[in-house]
Amino acid sequence: DIQMTQSPSTLSASVGDRVTITCRASQSISNWLAWYQQRPGKAPKLLIYEASTLEYGVPSRFSGSGSGTEFTLTISSLQPDDFATYYCQQCYGYPYTFGQGTKVEIK
Amino acid sequence: QVQLVQSGAEVKKPGASVKVSCKASGYSITGYYMHWVRQAPGQGLEWMGWINPNSGGTKYAPKFQGRVTMTRDTSISTAYMELSRLTSDDTAVYFCARDQGVETANDYWGQGTLVTVSS
Repeated sequence: DIQMTQSPSTLSASVGDRVTITCRASQSISNWLAWYQQRPGKAPKLLIYEASTLEYGVPSRFSGSGSGTEFTLTISSLQPDDFATYYCQQCYGYPYTFGQGTKVEIK
Repeated sequence: QVQLVQSGAEVKKPGASVKVSCKASGYSITGYYMHWVRQAPGQGLEWMGWINPNSGGTKYAPKFQGRVTMTRDTSISTAYMELSRLTSDDTAVYFCARDQGVETANDYWGQGTLVTVSS
């Protein structure tokens, strides 16, 4: 299986901060990477697919980059709605796998 | 608008089976693969597999192979996930999620179904 490792596991930040989350794959996955946001008790929400394509309706403060084995999700200016857990997922090889998640907390 | 509505919470005994439904509306279910993902309490997301509602073809994660069956009834736009030989480790919220393309990311998700396995 392809292992996905996110860092950090927890991130404390303030409204307005620029935030970056990293996701590393155990082997090359080209650009077959998605990012999701999950709030407590809710289903995940797709933010980014194919590593850098913003899903329709997602605010432009979210951006994704990377290819191969290293990827980043950046929130340019953190908003109150953004305090949540973020997951990366590789859609390159079966079984699809997720990172362990990054919880973004209020500082 | 696209909606995926799942069946309600279930409580099962170890060794039993559970079948979760996912009713799609706002689009043609045969046009998009349907994935199933689960999340144990306080844990991360785990991909279980997908079904192609058009052909009925499936792809399962090896971890669940032999225990999971994904089916669909296109006449009522509903996908199903059945998991057998349940143990306490199967206690989780189970989500259905539409594939946005072909074997790619998931753009619409059901609300989740909590399955509790307890004696």
